[in-house]
Amino acid sequence: DAGVTQSPTHLIKTRGQHVTLRCSPISGHKSVSWYQQVLGQGPQFIFQYYEKEERGRGNFPDRFSARQFPNYSSELNVNALLLGDSALYLCASSFATARNEQFFGPGTRLTVL
Amino acid sequence: AQRVTQPEKLLSVFKGAPVELKCNYSYSGSPELFWYVQYSRQRLQLLLRHISRESIKGFTADLNKGETSFHLKKPFAQEEDSAMYYCAFAGGGSSNTGKLIFGQGTTLQVKP
Repeated sequence: DAGVTQSPTHLIKTRGQHVTLRCSPISGHKSVSWYQQVLGQGPQFIFQYYEKEERGRGNFPDRFSARQFPNYSSELNVNALLLGDSALYLCASSFATARNEQFFGPGTRLTVL
Repeated sequence: AQRVTQPEKLLSVFKGAPVELKCNYSYSGSPELFWYVQYSRQRLQLLLRHISRESIKGFTADLNKGETSFHLKKPFAQEEDSAMYYCAFAGGGSSNTGKLIFGQGTTLQVKP
């Protein structure tokens, strides 16, 4: 198993554009969480999905949305990009939610110009 | 508010010296605490969690509810321990949704 995979690796967008980031969890894992990591800071929780339902949402504006598909992969969408959205976006998968170890992907580096 | 504080951005020690990476949390309930590590050009990975009470790669961490701390310790640092270390917290009990709150991270630099 390759572990959690994310695509693309890097992405450059301009202000006002929309972006879609993708994540494939470890086989057998049903929960996916998204985190934003701004340079010099720890990851900040955005969303958690389990069995295709949203189970948690962090303090992010409505421009951020996500979904989970029947195969448990997930997409993170960000609309009307701002310069401040430039960050490393991490996906983590786990078998379930509470008390389950989260395994992180390599991240997608988003640069907004 | 739930928060994790790692007061040191950088900790530099010599090989063989003891290491203590500090972590304090603010939460009134029974938290679950974790230490994650990120080696150069690798992904974030779990180092240890307080409920397992394990020693991983010589590292230990004890949850001190009185001081709301979860410091990471190793008696003799090795050069391969050089990495970024994040303390993370999840609300315990019924409030534990698996959402992790991370500290800002501490870079550990072990000099030869």
